[in-house]
Order: sequence, then structure tokens, then C-alpha cells
Amino acid sequence: KAGVTQTPRYLIKTRGQQVTLSCSPISGHRSVSWYQQTPGQGLQFLFEYFSETQRNKGNFPGRFSGRQFSNSRSEMNVSTLELGDSALYLCASSPEGTGNTEAFFGQGTRLTVV
Amino acid sequence: GEDVEQSLFLSVREGDSSVINCTYTDSSSTYLYWYKQEPGAGLQLLTYIFSNMDMKQDQRLTVLLNKKDKHLSLRIADTQTGDSAIYFCAERWGDGQNFVFGPGTRLSVLP
Repeated sequence: KAGVTQTPRYLIKTRGQQVTLSCSPISGHRSVSWYQQTPGQGLQFLFEYFSETQRNKGNFPGRFSGRQFSNSRSEMNVSTLELGDSALYLCASSPEGTGNTEAFFGQGTRLTVV
Repeated sequence: GEDVEQSLFLSVREGDSSVINCTYTDSSSTYLYWYKQEPGAGLQLLTYIFSNMDMKQDQRLTVLLNKKDKHLSLRIADTQTGDSAIYFCAERWGDGQNFVFGPGTRLSVLP
């Protein structure tokens, strides 16, 4: 069974641009969560999608958005990039939301904003 | 709000046991997790424990939970150089897959 796949693995963008990251969950998984990892702030929860609906959201500005498709694949978008958005973005998938115990992470997308 | 704390560094000799400690604040957490992150990689789920358990053992890994003190520990027996990594403690809150992670403990295994 394939794991969680995130694309691209690496990305370099310029301040002010926007970026879209993709996450394909494990087959059959319906919940996808996104996290930002930085040396200063550690791992922080961005949002969670389940059955194409955003169920939970962390404390990030509106420049960060996401969506989930009917096949459970998810994208996150960051608009008007800032230098501080440079980070490793991780997504996690779970079979379903409430009650399920395990979340499996992808390798991440490393975004560098210059 | 929810907060998870860990010591940042731990060094052990190869073959010794490692104990990584974690404290959390959300008493309503139902599951607590340990993840491992190697350089340049994502997070690997090591193990998790349900809040009504005191201990869980899985091969070389032993998780101890003291719910009264909100203290979680991960013991790695016979630590190997391949165990060198950052270990994250996490609690799951709410009704979804939202985790609050600790800052991570960097485990260095010395030969």
C-alpha cells in the first residue's frame, strides 16, 4: 500500500507569489491534515479536511487555505508569500476522522521563500 | 490552550536504554503519540497510547503514562545508532485529527 505522497518535495518561491502544495493520502483514507514545521515554532496545525469539508482550523492567517477533492486528495495554497512562510509542510492522512487513532505523515514539501 | 513540553536533547551510549519524557496539559486528550523524525524526512508513527492505559509495550519501545501528573515517557531498550533522530510527543485534541506536538527531543546515540 502506498504511503502518503506529497508533491513537490522542494519548492523555491519569491515573496509575494502564491504556491499550491499537494497531498495524496493513503488509499481509503478520508481525513487529511496539514502542518507547518519551522525551527522556531516547531510543528503547528494548519487545518484538517474530512469528506471534502474543512473540519478544524489552526491559528494561521487567511493567506493559508486548503481544499479536499472527492478522491480525498488535498491541496493547500499560500498566497502573498512572506519570508516567514519558509518551512517544511507536512500532511497526514487517517482512515476517518473521529475515533480513529492513527495518522500517517508524508515526507513533506520544503518551501523556501526568497 | 493545549501545550506539550519535552526536553530538547538526550545523549545515550549504544546499547543503553533511552528515556524520553513529555508533559502535556490537556486532560481531555484521548490519545497520546510518539513520532520519530530523521533528517530530511517526514514523521514516522512509533506508537500511541490510549489515555485509560498506564503502559504499552511494542518490541523495544515502552510507553508509560501517568495521567494524574500528565506525564508521558518513551523508553527505547538497547538503543542503536539508527535510533538517532528527533522524537516528538503529541496529543490529539478535539474530534478530528489535530495534533499538538511538543518541540521534539533530539536523541544522539554515541558509539
